[in-house]
Amino acid sequence: GQNIDQPTEMTATEGAIVQINCTYQTSGFNGLFWYQQHAGEAPTFLSYNVLDGLEEKGRFSSFLSRSKGYSYLLLKELQMKDSASYLCAVRDSNYQLIWGAGTKLIIKP
Amino acid sequence: ETGVTQTPRHLVMGMTNKKSLKCEQHLGHNAMYWYKQSAKKPLELMFVYSLEERVENNSVPSRFSPECPNSSHLFLHLHTLQPEDSALYLCASSQELAGGPDTQYFGPGTRLTVL
Repeated sequence: GQNIDQPTEMTATEGAIVQINCTYQTSGFNGLFWYQQHAGEAPTFLSYNVLDGLEEKGRFSSFLSRSKGYSYLLLKELQMKDSASYLCAVRDSNYQLIWGAGTKLIIKP
Repeated sequence: ETGVTQTPRHLVMGMTNKKSLKCEQHLGHNAMYWYKQSAKKPLELMFVYSLEERVENNSVPSRFSPECPNSSHLFLHLHTLQPEDSALYLCASSQELAGGPDTQYFGPGTRLTVL
């Protein structure tokens, strides 16, 4: 079956760096997405990786290794507003998005 | 109004009621989606429409009935639901159905409680 694994919850300190990992086993691969979802709000797009390597976008970076079925989202200079759930999703060979359960990130002062 | 809107934001219904959820996208997209989000579970894709035609139905019970009258509007008709159907129902849209960094844009969701 298809599966996306990510930690359920992580805690980090304001101003620090945190890495959220995602491993996947899917039927084919056509891209990996990271979304941010604040409590009670809609998921919003953060990043897209289809080739191996690091994509940087401001304080957020996303890394992909297709051979390892692995990605991570790196958040730098953490701010309190970064407290949210981070969802990893992979587009499979049928171009359907397979979602992880999300990682709840708690930022402490 | 921009983006993806959903109404109502909150809905409480009994198991014998009939209600409908509405989604509207103002982005000119061709594909629309219904998802169910339960606590601590992955998003579950329920229905996919492309150019107003249903292209995916992931074994959803018949008590959920989608309708897509045009590319901007999507409905989810509900009847004789069960308490386990209580969840956040999210609507999303994307430019096309597949390929490239075609991201999905989500509405704020309808929080449904079935008593």
